[in-house]
Amino acid sequence: EDQVTQSPEALRLQEGESSSLNCSYTVSGLRGLFWYRQDPGKGPEFLFTLYSAGEEKEKERLKATLTKKESFLHITAPKPEDSATYLCAVQAAGSARQLTFGSGTQLTVLP
Amino acid sequence: NAGVTQTPKFRILKIGQSMTLQCTQDMNHNYMYWYRQDPGMGLKLIYYSVGAGITDKGEVPNGYNVSRSTTEDFPLRLELAAPSQTSVYFCAGGGVDNQPQHFGDGTRLSIL
Repeated sequence: EDQVTQSPEALRLQEGESSSLNCSYTVSGLRGLFWYRQDPGKGPEFLFTLYSAGEEKEKERLKATLTKKESFLHITAPKPEDSATYLCAVQAAGSARQLTFGSGTQLTVLP
Repeated sequence: NAGVTQTPKFRILKIGQSMTLQCTQDMNHNYMYWYRQDPGMGLKLIYYSVGAGITDKGEVPNGYNVSRSTTEDFPLRLELAAPSQTSVYFCAGGGVDNQPQHFGDGTRLSIL
């Protein structure tokens, strides 16, 4: 059974204080690992897809990395507008493309 | 291009009532999905469809039904609503050919 565990559950940072969110996964053949951002009252918004260990992707203050067992979402010099819940999900090879999600990390960036 | 649109945004039902959650997309996705999200939990797959006329169960299908008569529409039906179905429901499309799934903004459903 595919499993995704995210830590920490909640994280409070001061504006400009860099940190990392963790996503540990077990999957029977990884097709892709996805990071989404979710704002209150909204659906998940796509950030990144990572396909193989060693891959990295960046977007503004966010950088996602992937190993064979986990992924990290690094947030550099965050701003209050980065406050959101960040969701990690895996897509298994051979599946009908459905995603298995972690429970998310709720990030709060204080001004 | 509206993407994935869900209606209604909010609904309160009484135990035993039924309703249909609507989902429509204008991105020509063959693959579509219904998830539910409970507080503090990840999204759980209810049903999915790989094309018009083809649907299959996900992880938590009990108490729900779906249909897919067109590429654009993928409604989710609740029969005999129960308090355990209080949740936020998300519809998504895509996820093939290295493209991500795109989500609607959800339907917040309370069963009282």
